Amino acid sequence: NAGVMQNPRHLVRRRGQEARLRCSPMKGHSHVYWYRQLPEEGLKFMVYLQKENIIDESGMPKERFSAEFPKEGPSILRIQQVVRGDSAAYFCASSPTRGTQYFGPGTRLLVL
Amino acid sequence: GIQVEQSPPDLILQEGANSTLRCNFSDSVNNLQWFHQNPWGQLINLFYIPSGTKQNGRLSATTVATERYSLLYISSSQTTDSGVYFCAVGDTGNQFYFGTGTSLTVIP
Repeated sequence: NAGVMQNPRHLVRRRGQEARLRCSPMKGHSHVYWYRQLPEEGLKFMVYLQKENIIDESGMPKERFSAEFPKEGPSILRIQQVVRGDSAAYFCASSPTRGTQYFGPGTRLLVL
Repeated sequence: GIQVEQSPPDLILQEGANSTLRCNFSDSVNNLQWFHQNPWGQLINLFYIPSGTKQNGRLSATTVATERYSLLYISSSQTTDSGVYFCAVGDTGNQFYFGTGTSLTVIP
């Protein structure tokens, strides 16, 4: 059973460009969570999704950030018009229920 | 949200030594996990332990939910144990709250 997969593993963008981060949950998991880790800090919750629904986006910045988890395909975290402060590691986690969360390897975003 | 404090923030050990990492949290929790973030940034699940005691090889963990703390024990430490150890807790909501981690360096 493959683990949570994220791609790309590293992403470089110039200020003003768009970043798209993908997350494929573990097989059989319908709950997806996105977290952001700034350098030297712990992870901070961004958004929780189930298939086709955003359940909790209380940790998402109000502008430029959006997330989706379509019926088919991976979950996408989209950042529009990136700024240097968006540079961070973005982790996706999945779970079969609301219990244990299994984390992917993360996407390291660098904004130049 | 729930506040999570981890101690110590930094720890340097000689290979073979034992250590105890602590996680205090500010409110009742339904979920608690310990993770190891290796030097490559990958998060490894260590324990799912909202209460009680578990052991896995050289690692063990104990959570006393009524007193709002959890302990992670590392025995006979190895250089591959180096990295950052995070405690994360969840309540009836949808997210995990992470501590700021304990950075462990094991020297040969």
